[in-house]
Formats: sequence, C-alpha cells, structure tokens
Amino acid sequence: QSVLTQPPSVSGAPGQRVTISCTGSSSNIGARYDVHWYQHLPGTAPRLLIYSNTDRPSGVPDRFSGSKSGTSASLAISGLQAEDEGDYYCQSHDTSPSAVIFGGGTKLTVL
Amino acid sequence: QVLLQGSGPRLVKPSETLSLTCTVSGDSISGYYWNWIRQPPGKGLEWIGYIYPGGGSNYNPSLKSRVIMSVDSSKNEMSLSLTFVTAADTAVYYCARPYKRGWYGGAFHLWGQGAIVTVSS
Repeated sequence: QSVLTQPPSVSGAPGQRVTISCTGSSSNIGARYDVHWYQHLPGTAPRLLIYSNTDRPSGVPDRFSGSKSGTSASLAISGLQAEDEGDYYCQSHDTSPSAVIFGGGTKLTVL
Repeated sequence: QVLLQGSGPRLVKPSETLSLTCTVSGDSISGYYWNWIRQPPGKGLEWIGYIYPGGGSNYNPSLKSRVIMSVDSSKNEMSLSLTFVTAADTAVYYCARPYKRGWYGGAFHLWGQGAIVTVSS
C-alpha cells in the first residue's frame, strides 16, 4: 500500500477536464515537501509533468497543471486528448523514514 | 542532449545479485542525486534509493539491507547492486536524475530507457 493515495482510475471524454488527487499526511505533503507528477505511457520511461507542486518543465503543455493544499495535491488535465491515456503518478518525500515516495498510480482512460 | 544508458544482465537467478550500471553522457554526473526506481509487472513505481557523488546515499527502508549503490565519477556512471534477489525483484529498473542539481526529493526529469530484469532459475 502506497504512502500517497491516488484513485485507481479516472476517465473523461476528449476535450474535457479531469483531476487526479494525491492524498498524503503530515509526514510528507503536509510537512511542506513538494509534490511532483509523472505521466507513464506503455513502453516508455516516465515523464515529469509537474515539479514543485505547480511548475511545468519546458515542453509540457499548459493543459497540465498542479496544485497543493495541506496534505493533498491535485493534477488537472484540460482539453483531454487521446494521447493523454496512460498512468499518472504523484511523488513526494517522507520524513519518517526519510525516503522518496510515490503514489500508487492512476490510470487515465480517454473515452 | 543528456542521455542515461542502462546496462547489465537481464536474467538473474534467485538468491544471486542483480547488478546494473547507468552511464551518463552529455553532462557531468557531479552535483546531482542519482536515483534508481523500479516497476514490477502490473504494479506502480517504487523508489529504490539515491546516491550523491562525493558522498551520501539513502535507500528505501524496505530494500535497505540488500541495496548497494556506487558512483564512478571518472566514468560518469553509477551502479546498483541488489543482493539475494527473489521473483519479487522482477521489474523494469530505471536510473533517474532530478530536475536540478542538489535536489534530493525527486522531480525526476531525466530517465534511462529502463532495463527489464527477470529473476528466474
């Protein structure tokens, strides 16, 4: 069981907006550690979508946005496209014990 | 362009040691926390640990007793050893680098292509 909790799956039609939640605790997200988000498509390495809660690396479309509040964070994807279908992971750091942690992953289906 | 290239045996027998190397090209290995991450079949991503050139490492508590990481700055490469492997260690193994130098908390921007390692007799 992952320290960060994500919904197993979300879905949306092309053009719609979906959000993926990531719930942690006072020892990780609530301890002011940043949350990062990844897209993982089959047969490829994960891709960093959002770092430091809200920032996008160069080349990531602004359709992807992140937010953080308290012990939770969210990834929003607007203007859904068929190529967005895949797995999405949140990631942060825990203090006890000190370790990088991942959410269990959320499978996005574009209807 | 910075590339991470993984290498090492893809089939390991139970109770033996899994060994992988990640070679960095296009940039210096110094200043970054270098991480290993794996994904077992049908499961999510699992952080294995990181090593910092010049000193410092931190491993996943669940794997700590079996993990050894090292860095060879002269070759611009880092290595992972995982001892006493079982079928549960079958996974795709990635080396990964954070977005910025000095970051130890993740934000993995650069990834190796992934090495599929199978533990089987």
